[in-house]
Amino acid sequence: DVKVTQSSRYLVKRTGEKVFLECVQDMDHENMFWYRQDPGLGLRLIYFSYDVKMKEKGDIPEGYSVSREKKERFSLILESASTNQTSMYLCASSLRGYEQYFGPGTRLTVT
Amino acid sequence: QKEVEQNSGPLSVPEGAIASLNCTYSDRGSQSFFWYRQYSGKSPELIMFIYSNGDKEDGRFTAQLNKASQYVSLLIRDSQPSDSATYLCAPHNSGYALNFGKGTSLLVTP
Repeated sequence: DVKVTQSSRYLVKRTGEKVFLECVQDMDHENMFWYRQDPGLGLRLIYFSYDVKMKEKGDIPEGYSVSREKKERFSLILESASTNQTSMYLCASSLRGYEQYFGPGTRLTVT
Repeated sequence: QKEVEQNSGPLSVPEGAIASLNCTYSDRGSQSFFWYRQYSGKSPELIMFIYSNGDKEDGRFTAQLNKASQYVSLLIRDSQPSDSATYLCAPHNSGYALNFGKGTSLLVTP
């Protein structure tokens, strides 16, 4: 079974802090994705990566950056957390053209 | 902007009935289509995948695809309270990412 894990299920941070969210997949997938999900707005793609050290902006990259130094690991970085970044963050991985497998999510609260 | 439209619901059906969930998409380049189910507080999980026009059945679930009309639907027969969830439609074209709709909330009442 494909397994995608995320470093935290719940996280509380203060405004202005630098926040790291980590995602690890164990199926040698090429592609990895970061989404945020908010009520009424659905899943919105922040960034994705199709190979090590490669990244592409999604629909809402502002305020975020990513890092993919190893194939199995994809990190989302909030450089200076703000309250409007309070959300559920979901990581996913896939082979190209195939279904995405999601991690359990990290509920981030920025106070 | 490549649009994926789903009625947000909630769609309420009685237990044992057929639930019909619909999705329209604007990108004619979409090749394949995924249906995900998301329980409250959980992450999405894949339940159906279809890439050919027509019907695809898997247990109580049937996906229907009509590329000419640019819609895909999901039928759930003999709906159960455990089917209560949000269902996300996700067309895929030749790119890397899926294009998720906002989802339809389904409530199956006993």
